[in-house]
Amino acid sequence: GQQVMQIPQYQHVQEGEDFTTYCNSSTTLSNIQWYKQRPGGHPVFLIQLVKSGEVKKQKRLTFQFGEAKKNSSLHITATQTTDVGTYFCAGPAVLFSGTYKYIFGTGTRLKVLA
Amino acid sequence: EPEVTQTPSHQVTQMGQEVILRCVPISNHLYFYWYRQILGQKVEFLVSFYNNEISEKSEIFDDQFSVERPDGSNFTLKIRSTKLEDSAMYFCATTGQAVNYGYTFGSGTRLTVV
Repeated sequence: GQQVMQIPQYQHVQEGEDFTTYCNSSTTLSNIQWYKQRPGGHPVFLIQLVKSGEVKKQKRLTFQFGEAKKNSSLHITATQTTDVGTYFCAGPAVLFSGTYKYIFGTGTRLKVLA
Repeated sequence: EPEVTQTPSHQVTQMGQEVILRCVPISNHLYFYWYRQILGQKVEFLVSFYNNEISEKSEIFDDQFSVERPDGSNFTLKIRSTKLEDSAMYFCATTGQAVNYGYTFGSGTRLTVV
């Protein structure tokens, strides 16, 4: 079945350093979503990318969708302690009913050291 | 901002007992999902529900699991005879469209089977 992998699994950075997580799908995706889960919290939707090569920014976060639409990345510039959490990418899988489910990646847990 | 409400926040149950996890979706959302997250691991798809029926269920969602929307508002997940390995965080997620919309997750129910 469809698999979505992320690397690295864990990342510890000093506050102010940059951080990047990479997401790879076993199949071509029509779109990709990113979520953030704070420790002890629930996943929160950050953004969706749809177009090949698309780049979107949210303040210090930059999201990119690969040209082949099989990979994506999230880059955080100058990390802050508020960035701590696990970042998941998620890709859609079409269901027989014509609806969708999202397959979540393995996640990258970010720890920011002050 | 609209929220997905889940109750209870924490449930401790004896192995073999039945549990019902409840979710109140956002009012105009049509697509409902249950996901599970074992501590520190990825978010796993359990079941999707649309138009009052299951769209798809995962291998995890065996005969011990069921979902229903009994009164048009609550969306419930029932586990008939809990096992130790059912211990996890269960998240309800809803969305207004089949695709191109991020999920809104509830805050989750932590199920502990002893």
